[in-house]
Amino acid sequence: KQEVTQIPAALSVPEGENLVLNCSFTDSAIYNLQWFRQDPGKGLTSLLLIQSSQREQTSGRLNASLDKSSGRSTLYIAASQPGDSATYLCAVRIFTGANSKLTFGKGITLSVRP
Amino acid sequence: GAGVSQSPSNKVTEKGKDVELRCDPISGHTALYWYRQSLGQGLEFLIYFQGNSAPDKSGLPSDRFSAERTGGSVSTLTIQRTQQEDSAVYLCASSPPGKNIQYFGAGTRLSVL
Repeated sequence: KQEVTQIPAALSVPEGENLVLNCSFTDSAIYNLQWFRQDPGKGLTSLLLIQSSQREQTSGRLNASLDKSSGRSTLYIAASQPGDSATYLCAVRIFTGANSKLTFGKGITLSVRP
Repeated sequence: GAGVSQSPSNKVTEKGKDVELRCDPISGHTALYWYRQSLGQGLEFLIYFQGNSAPDKSGLPSDRFSAERTGGSVSTLTIQRTQQEDSAVYLCASSPPGKNIQYFGAGTRLSVL
């Protein structure tokens, strides 16, 4: 059974700091990996999607990497801002025959202090 | 509409009552997913629709939970005889044909007293 782990559960950093959020998964037979952002009381917003054949994806100040063989992904946030405060969720997609299912980690709640 | 719409946004009910949660996917999206997010837990997959059929119901936690989709569009998740452990945020997502990316609604926060 695929399990996705995100540690730590919460992180507080001062504004301007570069930071790395970690994600690990137990089964390397994934189709792709996706990072989401969730603001309090809101749904999920997709940030970056990395296909299993890719190593990284970049969007603005965000960079996500994938090492499928070791079961790890990182989300790098450059020059963090208070507006980056949110919960960041990592999810891996596998094919189950009937469905391509997303398995989520519990998320990392990030607080960026002004 | 522009995005996935869920209603109600909040629902408070008494233990033992039935509830219905609604999801309006993005127009043209053929795949629809329901997830549950409990306090301190990650998102759990509940059910997947392709059109009006549900080829994967493996995440439904008990026979008190059911879902249907009509017209390849709106979906309703029904929880019968609600229990306190059903309290959670229920999220819906949809995907366009041939694309493995899911667009999420804001969710329905269910509180069972």
